[in-house]
Amino acid sequence: EAGVTQFPSHSVIEKGQTVTLRCDPISGHDNLYWYRRVMGKEIKFLLHFVKESKQDESGMPNNRFLAERTGGTYSTLKVQPAELEDSGVYFCASSQEFGQAYGYTFGSGTRLTVV
Amino acid sequence: GQNIDQPTEMTATEGAIVQINCTYQTSGFNGLFWYQQHAGEAPTFLSYNVLDGLEEKGRFSSFLSRSKGYSYLLLKELQMKDSASYLCAVRTNDYKLSFGAGTTVTVRA
Repeated sequence: EAGVTQFPSHSVIEKGQTVTLRCDPISGHDNLYWYRRVMGKEIKFLLHFVKESKQDESGMPNNRFLAERTGGTYSTLKVQPAELEDSGVYFCASSQEFGQAYGYTFGSGTRLTVV
Repeated sequence: GQNIDQPTEMTATEGAIVQINCTYQTSGFNGLFWYQQHAGEAPTFLSYNVLDGLEEKGRFSSFLSRSKGYSYLLLKELQMKDSASYLCAVRTNDYKLSFGAGTTVTVRA
């Protein structure tokens, strides 16, 4: 089966611009997660979708970040306007069911650089 | 919040054994994962422990002690391709993963 796909793989934007990241989960996976790794830090949770609904968005840094998952398939994460501290690698993961031990499959990430 | 600690770097020789320790402090523990990540690639699943004890999968084994908040990943018969970052991640009852900063393992010939 195809894995979790993210694009773009890299994005360089100027401070104040808008960027939209996309994640295509494994087909049939209801759970979709966004995580972020800022330079030198650990990977941190951003939010969790179950189908098209936001289950938990407690990790979203501020209201400049907007995530959507229309139709419960792919998801987008928009940053508007981008700030320097938003630079990092944004990972998406999907899983089929809650609690499944082996269910988290990660994408390769989008490396965002804000200059 | 969660606090997960693992060493930053480890170096070992091809064919040797390396043990990566992970200690954690968390509330609502619901499993511990180990992931392998090569530069620029996705973290890939290696192991999962939810009960105390050792889980063995080929050259890789993982151990968990919930009372001590401690886990280790054991890599045996090291190969050059095992050079990568190894991530310890704790899942809590809200199904979020909290990651350590990762341990970069370098395998030398």
